[in-house]
Amino acid sequence: EVQLVESGGDLVQPGGSLRLSCTASGFSFSTYWMTWVRQAPEKGLEWVATIKNDGTDKYYVDSVRGRFTVSRDNAKSSLYLQMNSLRAEDTALYYCLCTTRRSSFDRWGQGALVTVSP
Amino acid sequence: DAVMTQSPLSLPVTLGQPASISCRSSQSLVSSDGNTYLNWIQQRPGQSPRRLIYTVSNRDSGVPDRFSGSGSGTDFTLKISRVEAEDVGVYYCMQNTHWPWTFGQGTNVEI
Repeated sequence: EVQLVESGGDLVQPGGSLRLSCTASGFSFSTYWMTWVRQAPEKGLEWVATIKNDGTDKYYVDSVRGRFTVSRDNAKSSLYLQMNSLRAEDTALYYCLCTTRRSSFDRWGQGALVTVSP
Repeated sequence: DAVMTQSPLSLPVTLGQPASISCRSSQSLVSSDGNTYLNWIQQRPGQSPRRLIYTVSNRDSGVPDRFSGSGSGTDFTLKISRVEAEDVGVYYCMQNTHWPWTFGQGTNVEI
């Protein structure tokens, strides 16, 4: 069974840092690009970052570029999101997902809650 | 950025009746490889999102055939042929032709 399990969500003060992890199982992790999408409370979905299967290319939404870093460890089937200089507007449920553009493979995790508040 | 605009934002539906959601992009979603990477995402209450449709009209595995997608260029539609109770939730269009990937605002489908 394909599974994506996020961890690391927490309450953090503005300006602080947090690292989210996503552990994958049930599929060939190293084959797929991986993505983070977030959802602020009672709001819609926002794409955050995507990393190529071998980690060589990374893409970010403008609002997090320079503050967030996406990375992966294919040997551990794990995806990470290092979040620095956190702001109140980063408060959201962060989903790890594996989605393909041209085939029927799309899986989302259950989400990790990040709350940025004094 | 490709701005995705959905309508309506709220859609009251009747069980067994059809429903339709529109999505318009501010720029063409035709990729340099000739494909159009327009997706439809469903989020049921209290659940993680899941994709229903990719490349405009292809259903993901396990998606009932009452869901269909159509459109081209900048205008797209998701149709539910006969709404069932389990279809309640928020539906998003999402493009991944261009960086950054962008979502529509979401359409709340309620009985």
